[in-house]
Amino acid sequence: DAGVIQSPRHEVTEMGQEVTLRCKPISGHDYLFWYRQTMMRGLELLIYFNNNVPIDDSGMPEDRFSAKMPNASFSTLKIQPSEPRDSAVYFCASSRSKGYEQFFGPGTRLTVL
Amino acid sequence: GQNIDQPTEMTATEGAIVQINCTYQTSGFNGLFWYQQHAGEAPTFLSYNVLDGLEEKGRFSSFLSRSKGYSYLLLKELQMKDSASYLCAIQTDSWGKFQFGAGTQVVVTP
Repeated sequence: DAGVIQSPRHEVTEMGQEVTLRCKPISGHDYLFWYRQTMMRGLELLIYFNNNVPIDDSGMPEDRFSAKMPNASFSTLKIQPSEPRDSAVYFCASSRSKGYEQFFGPGTRLTVL
Repeated sequence: GQNIDQPTEMTATEGAIVQINCTYQTSGFNGLFWYQQHAGEAPTFLSYNVLDGLEEKGRFSSFLSRSKGYSYLLLKELQMKDSASYLCAIQTDSWGKFQFGAGTQVVVTP
């Protein structure tokens, strides 16, 4: 299996622009998680899905953030408009079911100027 | 509130043993996971405990005491490649929600 795939790997954008991050989970995994990692705040859970349905989005920082999972093999995290404080590494992870380990993608390093 | 505490950094010599402690106070508990994260890379799964006791996996072992809200990860026969951040994570609900600790940076010296 190819593992969790994320794109792009690096994104540099200017404040106010829309940013879309993409994730393809491991085939057959029912859970998909979006995390953000910074030096100051560590690894934070933003939102997670079970069978394409959002279960908990309480970690989404503001209305500027939105996430979708239109099918079992694709999810997006969108930031509109982006701000410099959104600069971080965004990870997508998937797991087979609850109680199983999460497999992380390589991450997207976002820099907002 | 939810709290997961780990030491910030630990240093040990190649070939030695290091124990990384994790204490937690969370609203729910459905399992404890340990992840390893090398600089610039994604976290990778190391171990899982849901019942009290010790789980051993090669050079790595993890222990859990649910009554004490305490776990540790034991790294034996340290190698230079073990230099990384080690993250303690709690599955806090039955749906699979995770909360991660801030991580412990382990530095292995020759």
